Amino acid sequence: EAAVTQSPRNKVAVTGGKVTLSCNQTNNHNNMYWYRQDTGHGLRLIHYSYGAGSTEKGDIPDGYKASRPSQENFSLILELATPSQTSVYFCASGARDRGNTLYFGAGTRLSVL
Amino acid sequence: TQTVSQSDAHVTVFEGDSVELRCNYSYGGSIYLSWYIQHHGHGLQFLLKYYSGNPVVQGVNGFEAEFSKSDSSFHLRKASVHWSDSAVYFCAVSASSNNRIFFGDGTQLVVKP
Repeated sequence: EAAVTQSPRNKVAVTGGKVTLSCNQTNNHNNMYWYRQDTGHGLRLIHYSYGAGSTEKGDIPDGYKASRPSQENFSLILELATPSQTSVYFCASGARDRGNTLYFGAGTRLSVL
Repeated sequence: TQTVSQSDAHVTVFEGDSVELRCNYSYGGSIYLSWYIQHHGHGLQFLLKYYSGNPVVQGVNGFEAEFSKSDSSFHLRKASVHWSDSAVYFCAVSASSNNRIFFGDGTQLVVKP
């Protein structure tokens, strides 16, 4: 079964600190995505990737970087975390030749104090 | 750019009732339309998808959705809901020519006993 694993599941960070959220998929999908979910905003796309070595900006990329070192791994990096980045973050993988069906991880709850 | 609109933020029904969750989209090209379900504290899970052919598509747990090109809609229905169907439901649209997926803001379905 398709599997997307996020770590950590919960994270408390201090303002100005660096935060790295990790995502691993065993689906062999080319595409991976990072979303954040906030009440009243639904899912908003931060960064996505078409494959190892590629990253693309989504709709709200400011304050975030992404890294795709391999087919399986896709990281979201907050170099200088701010309280406005407190949110729940979801990683997903998908394949366009399969209709772009997405498989989501369980989410990371990040609190920036 | 694709857009997705879910007109109802909250829907409350009783167990055994039928329900329809509404989704309208805007896009001029060839698209995939999908529905996802999110139980509290979990990531999104794929329910069903339409690309072409029969406009009524069947999903898991008795859910179905109907595509209407004239109305630009892809409404989700279930004939008889169970308390375990309580969740947030997201409609999504994706162009077949690229890898971007756009989500609606979600509809919170509450099923009362």
